[in-house]
Amino acid sequence: AQSVTQLGSHVSVSEGALVLLRCNYSSSVPPYLFWYVQYPNQGLQLLLKYTSAATLVKGINGFEAEFKKSETSFHLTKPSAHMSDAAEYFCALASNDYKLSFGAGTTVTVRA
Amino acid sequence: DVKVTQSSRYLVKRTGEKVFLECVQDMDHENMFWYRQDPGLGLRLIYFSYDVKMKEKGDIPEGYSVSREKKERFSLILESASTNQTSMYLCASRSGAGGRGGYTFGSGTRLTVV
Repeated sequence: AQSVTQLGSHVSVSEGALVLLRCNYSSSVPPYLFWYVQYPNQGLQLLLKYTSAATLVKGINGFEAEFKKSETSFHLTKPSAHMSDAAEYFCALASNDYKLSFGAGTTVTVRA
Repeated sequence: DVKVTQSSRYLVKRTGEKVFLECVQDMDHENMFWYRQDPGLGLRLIYFSYDVKMKEKGDIPEGYSVSREKKERFSLILESASTNQTSMYLCASRSGAGGRGGYTFGSGTRLTVV
């Protein structure tokens, strides 16, 4: 069975500080992994995706994520937080039958 | 860019009403999905469709049904709305080709059942 666990439902960072959002997965097949962002009252926007190519994936808005098979992790980072990064972030896993399984989400607040 | 359009951003319905949530995509995608989003639970799959007139149950199909008569449109139906179906509903589509990527989401419909 496939599953995704996001560690920490809420993360608070200072503007300019590192953003680190943690995601661990369980999959019986090589995973395709995604990070999505959701701003208030909006749909989901793709930040980046891992599809078995490079293990370090760069996305939009300065975010990147590293796939670590040995740790079954796909953590999302951004070196310097901006006020506009305040949103909810979801890690997701695509299974062989193309369904997406989501983590519970992590809400990021950015302190001035 | 692929667009996934959900017909309503906000809906308020009464308990027991039959409710239709509509989703249309404009890029000839084979696969379409309905999710509901609740705080602390993330997104959970209700139903999905691989192609026209095909449908598969997701993780939480109880109380819902779907219709896909045309490739571009995927409707979610609440046969008799209940207050526990108050939620944000998100539609998504993807091409059947090209591996397990390429999902596009609509902006969501926030449904309140009173």
